[in-house]
Amino acid sequence: AQSVAQPEDQVNVAEGNPLTVKCTYSVSGNPYLFWYVQYPNRGLQFLLKYITGDNLVKGSYGFEAEFNKSQTSFHLKKPSALVSDSALYFCAVRDGYYEGQLTFGSGTQLTVLP
Amino acid sequence: ETGVTQSPTHLIKTRGQQVTLRCSSQSGHNTVSWYQQALGQGPQFIFQYYREEENGRGNFPPRFSGLQFPNYSSELNVNALELDDSALYLCASSTGGLNTEAFFGQGTRLTVV
Repeated sequence: AQSVAQPEDQVNVAEGNPLTVKCTYSVSGNPYLFWYVQYPNRGLQFLLKYITGDNLVKGSYGFEAEFNKSQTSFHLKKPSALVSDSALYFCAVRDGYYEGQLTFGSGTQLTVLP
Repeated sequence: ETGVTQSPTHLIKTRGQQVTLRCSSQSGHNTVSWYQQALGQGPQFIFQYYREEENGRGNFPPRFSGLQFPNYSSELNVNALELDDSALYLCASSTGGLNTEAFFGQGTRLTVV
C-alpha cells in the first residue's frame, strides 16, 4: 500500500524567514510525488511534482521541494515566506500499482506571521 | 484557476436521500477522479474514470457510483446518504499517466442532516 505522512499539523514561521513543510512517503515501486495547496473553502492547487531526475524540484510561487530517496522524504521549502503563503499544504504520492490514485497526507497548516 | 468546474457548490440533503454531483473537466483532459475530503483530513480517493470506464476505485462502498460522458465530464452519485458522507467532494481532471498532475475543481460541500 502507498502512504504519506505529514508529521506536523501546524507550522508557524515569521515573514521573510525560510519555511519547510515535511513529508515522508511509502510506495511499492517508483514514487511520483506532488505538493498541493488549499485555501479556505477552495479546491486544491498544484504546486510542483517530482517524477525523476534532479532531486531539487522548483514549482509555482517560489516553492521548491527536495526529494531524498534514502530517507523517503519530499519536503517542501521556500527561501523567504510571505503572509500570503498561509494555507493548508498537502503532500501526495502515486505509484504504478494503484491505477493513478493519489494518496494524500493529512495536511499541514502553514501560518506566516507578519 | 483551473478549468475544472463543479456544481453545485453547496448542498444540504437528508439522511437516506440520494445526491448527484457534477464535474466538467479541463479542456483536453480525458481522465477524471473524485475525492472525498472530510473536515480536517486529506482527500480520500473514491474512483477514477478514463474514457468513460472506471479504472480505479478506493475503499468506498458500492452506494458511491459514477459516470463519465463522451465529453469527459463526470457525475458522482451517492445513494442512501449517511451523516458521515458530509464532506467536501473534489473532482480532478488530468491527461492520464502516472507522472501527470491532477487539476482540481473548487469542490462541492455536501451536508447530510
